Amino acid sequence: GAVVSQHPSWVICKSGTSVKIECRSLDFQATTMFWYRQFPKQSLMLMATSNEGSKATYEQGVEKDKFLINHASLTLSTLTVTSAHPEDSSFYICSARAAGSTEAFFGQGTRLTVV
Amino acid sequence: AQTVTQSQPEMSVQEAETVTLSCTYDTSESDYYLFWYKQPPSRQMILVIRQEAYKQQNATENRFSVNFQKAAKSFSLKISDSQLGDAAMYFCAYRSGGDFNKFYFGSGTKLNVKP
Repeated sequence: GAVVSQHPSWVICKSGTSVKIECRSLDFQATTMFWYRQFPKQSLMLMATSNEGSKATYEQGVEKDKFLINHASLTLSTLTVTSAHPEDSSFYICSARAAGSTEAFFGQGTRLTVV
Repeated sequence: AQTVTQSQPEMSVQEAETVTLSCTYDTSESDYYLFWYKQPPSRQMILVIRQEAYKQQNATENRFSVNFQKAAKSFSLKISDSQLGDAAMYFCAYRSGGDFNKFYFGSGTKLNVKP
């Protein structure tokens, strides 16, 4: 199957700083990428959907100024958590879908801890 | 909006036995896709099996099979000959056939496999 690589796998940052998470499709062109947040023992919560070259579409309740998403190329999307606070600590997962495909492939996730 | 319901937060099965995980969904669409994903402790989302709504035949992948009841909007996953490595969170998911970006997850079922 197609491979989606997410980096870093885990990151610890200080409160007030920003952290960037990368999501790359390694062997296909991802016209659409999705960013999810997952709390312990809960399901994936969609944060935003990004199409290459366009602004991301954020789900209701997700602060677009706090969670900056950039999908500048067909193989890379980034999620930047700005001015991170401890409540932003969570597991973030990306997935990527090629044009016309019904299937999305997931990255391995990033565990963010804000101290 | 479509909803996906997994009514079993947690289940247990004896190694080598069979277990069935339940999933129901609500939709007014006639064209859609259903998935079961496995999330082991590593938290990497792994596609287990998929079903196209237009196909009457139930999908099977080795020890994994589904019981797709379109009229009842039910999509259960049967795991035969359960193995210790099957222990994980299992998520049922729905993808719209009209908009591939509309993808909804259930709340998940934690499967324990007892040796």
